[in-house]
Amino acid sequence: EVQLVESGGGLVQPGGSLRLSCAASGFTFSTNSMRWVRQAPGKGLEWVSAISGSGGGTYYADSVKGRFTISRDNSKNTLYLQMNSLRAEDTAVYYCTRDGCGSTSCYTFEYWGQGTLVTVSS
Amino acid sequence: QSALTQPASVSGSPGQSITISCTGTSSDVGYYNYVSWYQQHPGKAPKLMIYDVSNRPSGVSNRFSGSKSGNTASLTISGLQAEDEADYYCSSYTGSSTYWVFGGGTKLTVL
Repeated sequence: EVQLVESGGGLVQPGGSLRLSCAASGFTFSTNSMRWVRQAPGKGLEWVSAISGSGGGTYYADSVKGRFTISRDNSKNTLYLQMNSLRAEDTAVYYCTRDGCGSTSCYTFEYWGQGTLVTVSS
Repeated sequence: QSALTQPASVSGSPGQSITISCTGTSSDVGYYNYVSWYQQHPGKAPKLMIYDVSNRPSGVSNRFSGSKSGNTASLTISGLQAEDEADYYCSSYTGSSTYWVFGGGTKLTVL
């Protein structure tokens, strides 16, 4: 069974930094691309970032480019999101997601973690 | 403002059918057959219901179906049940620097 468990969320001041982690299990971690999707309180979903299975390709939404860094440690089956220069508008639940390559579609978000809340406020 | 446009709310009675639209552009929904639909109950993570326009993942009820015409994709739920009451989001691959865009979400109320 695929499981994605996020951690690292919390309260941080504007301009501060936070690192999110996502522990994956139930599949061969290095074979799937991973992505972060966020949801501001009471709002819709927003794609944030993606990383290829090898880690060699990384992609960002314009809203976080230059401030967030996605990475992965395939030896630890863990995905990360380093968030710097945080702003109030970054306040959201951050979901770790896995693509559906091999089961549904490489272009979908097939599996989701439970999410971790990041609050940016003074 | 979301990249894909969905109605804010729809409603239907048990047993009826409803359709939720998702309108994009010729650069996303209209170009790629990579539209997905997600169901989200309050306080829960989204769940994949439809992928690549009209395909259902294993375990998803065949009451859920998807289609696309031009720049608009649609999710149809037939035989509405109380458990279908949730928020529904569409998404599309864009192939550009944006990569994926989502709709603003539609709240489905089962009367």
